[in-house]
Amino acid sequence: GNSVTQMEGPVTLSEEAFLTINCTYTATGYPSLFWYVQYPGEGLQLLLKATKADDKGSNKGFEATYRKETTSFHLEKGSVQVSDSAVYFCALTPYGGATNKLIFGTGTLLAVQP
Amino acid sequence: DVKVTQSSRYLVKRTGEKVFLECVQDMDHENMFWYRQDPGLGLRLIYFSYDVKMKEKGDIPEGYSVSREKKERFSLILESASTNQTSMYLCASSFSYLRGAGANVLTFGAGSRLTVL
Repeated sequence: GNSVTQMEGPVTLSEEAFLTINCTYTATGYPSLFWYVQYPGEGLQLLLKATKADDKGSNKGFEATYRKETTSFHLEKGSVQVSDSAVYFCALTPYGGATNKLIFGTGTLLAVQP
Repeated sequence: DVKVTQSSRYLVKRTGEKVFLECVQDMDHENMFWYRQDPGLGLRLIYFSYDVKMKEKGDIPEGYSVSREKKERFSLILESASTNQTSMYLCASSFSYLRGAGANVLTFGAGSRLTVL
């Protein structure tokens, strides 16, 4: 079946450090891939997405590349800020899905210290 | 600004009570979803609806039911609340896949944290 595996947290970094949060998936065909972010006390919001192999999604300095060969969609940012502290969820929508159901990973808590 | 609004941010209920969680969206979205969020488990889909009066079970529908009488409103119902339903509940909505590219982005509400004693 379809599933998403992401690295466990918490991830604790100092401000301006480089961030990588790993995400791999299992799915048939070509799913769409997403990163959602949840700031404290809020719902989830879309951070970036990619819909086909080799696509790169980017937003707010974050990037992730859809790697079909390694079934991965790792999230990266070159220099994190305290305001990036949040829970990050990797997710997919199955290929050909008629209802846009999202399948989520378990989330990774990022804590950025000044 | 587009919104998904969940009526209650925090609820405390007793075992056996009937609980209603309400969700309203103002984006004319066809699809609506109820997810449950628990630490270490991520988000799990309870039910979703792709049209008025239409519903389908998600991954963990047991102990829950839903109602969608109007396009903008999607209610989650716990017929007899139990302590293992203590959780954060997230409502989301999206356009139908028939609308093409960009339709598969979900917009989430802020969540309803339910405690069952």
